[in-house]
Amino acid sequence: GIQVEQSPPDLILQEGANSTLRCNFSDSVNNLQWFHQNPWGQLINLFYIPSGTKQNGRLSATTVATERYSLLYISSSQTTDSGVYFCAVMGNQGGKLIFGQGTELSVKP
Amino acid sequence: DADVTQTPRNRITKTGKRIMLECSQTKGHDRMYWYRQDPGLGLRLIYYSFDVKDINKGEISDGYSVSRQAQAKFSLSLESAIPNQTALYFCATSDLLDQHNEQFFGPGTRLTVL
Repeated sequence: GIQVEQSPPDLILQEGANSTLRCNFSDSVNNLQWFHQNPWGQLINLFYIPSGTKQNGRLSATTVATERYSLLYISSSQTTDSGVYFCAVMGNQGGKLIFGQGTELSVKP
Repeated sequence: DADVTQTPRNRITKTGKRIMLECSQTKGHDRMYWYRQDPGLGLRLIYYSFDVKDINKGEISDGYSVSRQAQAKFSLSLESAIPNQTALYFCATSDLLDQHNEQFFGPGTRLTVL
């Protein structure tokens, strides 16, 4: 099956700093989603981005499907950005989302 | 996502008890999913259903069963709970007409089996 690797596993930032999170996947995908899991465990959809670039406020994401990676950019980080960021992909056969292990982000005031 | 609700949100139970977790959605989606998350890990698929008459096992279905009572409702049961089923459980939905199958998640149910 498809393998999903996220890096870095952990990241500590000072408030106001920028960061880039990476997601590599091992095969062609039909779907790629980025999620933020907040400290209360809720899973929040950030981007649905099987290819191309999208932006939403301070967050943006780029997926280069031909090279099998996606990047999530967080600019001017805030303490509320803390939590775990997951990348999840679905192969061309459809069905289940396969999740990476996540990047745990901690933003210090 | 407020359109996908899960009950209960938290549950503590004892080994051997039968537990049912419920999921309801108002998104009008045909496809529904149950995932499990263990500490420090991503989510893993337990069961999924593409319509009311369709039920499929995911990668970790042992010890679980599901019921798709209606298009909007998908329940997960633990027939005899055991401590290693302690986890955070998520329900998700997606639209049959969405060729990319974007999934939307409920708020999660935190289950502790003592």
